[in-house]
Amino acid sequence: DTGVSQDPRHKITKRGQNVTFRCDPISEHNRLYWYRQTLGQGPEFLTYFQNEAQLEKSRLLSDRFSAERPKGSFSTLEIQRTEQGDSAMYLCASSFRDSKNWGYGYTFGSGTRLTVV
Amino acid sequence: AQSVAQPEDQVNVAEGNPLTVKCTYSVSGNPYLFWYVQYPNRGLQFLLKYITGDNLVKGSYGFEAEFNKSQTSFHLKKPSALVSDSALYFCAVRDGNIAGNQFYFGTGTSLTVIP
Repeated sequence: DTGVSQDPRHKITKRGQNVTFRCDPISEHNRLYWYRQTLGQGPEFLTYFQNEAQLEKSRLLSDRFSAERPKGSFSTLEIQRTEQGDSAMYLCASSFRDSKNWGYGYTFGSGTRLTVV
Repeated sequence: AQSVAQPEDQVNVAEGNPLTVKCTYSVSGNPYLFWYVQYPNRGLQFLLKYITGDNLVKGSYGFEAEFNKSQTSFHLKKPSALVSDSALYFCAVRDGNIAGNQFYFGTGTSLTVIP
């Protein structure tokens, strides 16, 4: 499978616990993005990386959230001290920085659905 | 600020009939507009985009969209709906004049094609 892979697909956790999600982008893509999608809403941007550098963070990304992409390949998104409001689908996407690449090569993964109980 | 609005949460259409899913946008610079489709428990799949050029854009699976600058709209259309088109559709915008890379998505429109 040459698409964007996310693991796990589903995660149920108790409030207050920490969780970590992983995203493996398409191998030749140098940009990686995290979005959050709550029920009835469209995806909302959280952060993105170009190679290993985290270039932009949304104000939605509170200090309980941290994302890394240590070697410019896979990325992890960690949520500390989870709250019920964190329940959502967390989507990862990757792309290759190209002046002609305006969405066609922007590939989303299937997401990790987090439920905080 | 960049935003898109999808005024219809739900659209129902009979199989074989034409379908339209509406989207209006607000962007400070040049609008780069997109449509994505999402099937249950799946990621978003790209359908089509408008950057510049012809106002009528053709995309995947027989879908097309018309960019209307005066009405700030980018409605998704298909001449003949299939049951398999039933899914959640998202309109998205990126501002072409800034270096940001994020999409701003609408709230989505659930399309049901009735056999």
